Amino acid sequence: DAGVIQSPRHEVTEMGQEVTLRCKPISGHDYLFWYRQTMMRGLELLIYFNNNVPIDDSGMPEDRFSAKMPNASFSTLKIQPSEPRDSAVYFCASSDRQFSGEQFFGPGTRLTVL
Amino acid sequence: KQEVTQIPAALSVPEGENLVLNCSFTDSAIYNLQWFRQDPGKGLTSLLLIQSSQREQTSGRLNASLDKSSGRSTLYIAASQPGDSATYLCAVRTDSNYQLIWGAGTKLIIKP
Repeated sequence: DAGVIQSPRHEVTEMGQEVTLRCKPISGHDYLFWYRQTMMRGLELLIYFNNNVPIDDSGMPEDRFSAKMPNASFSTLKIQPSEPRDSAVYFCASSDRQFSGEQFFGPGTRLTVL
Repeated sequence: KQEVTQIPAALSVPEGENLVLNCSFTDSAIYNLQWFRQDPGKGLTSLLLIQSSQREQTSGRLNASLDKSSGRSTLYIAASQPGDSATYLCAVRTDSNYQLIWGAGTKLIIKP
């Protein structure tokens, strides 16, 4: 298995632009998580899905952030409009069983908003 | 509220030494605990997952233990190598939901 795939790996954009991050979970995994990592706040869970349905989005910082999972093999995290304070590394992770819960992470997308 | 602490924040040891990384949590009602490593500029790699009913898990030179009653987990690395240099994070899953509560990590440097 190729593991969790994220794209792009790096994104540099200007304030106010729309940013879309993409994730392909491990085949067969029914949980998908979006995290953000910064030096100041460490790892933060933004949202997670079960069987393509958003379960908990309480970590989404603002209405500027939205996430979708149209099918079992694809998810997007969108920021519109982006701001410099959104600069961070965004990780996607997936998991196959609720009661095991081992999470496997993608390589991350490093976002820089100028 | 569950809090996870990792001490020390950084550790530097000579190659070949055995070492222990610590993780403590405030609420013993956990579902499982997971250890990860993160290399600079890279994602997180899952190392070991310990269910709440387990006492330890082993993978190669790594051994993770769990003592729920004292709120502690340790990651033991045997015969350390320069390739083990990374940041090691522990994360706790609570019973109440699926969210992982993260420690801040221990940055490990193995000197050749």
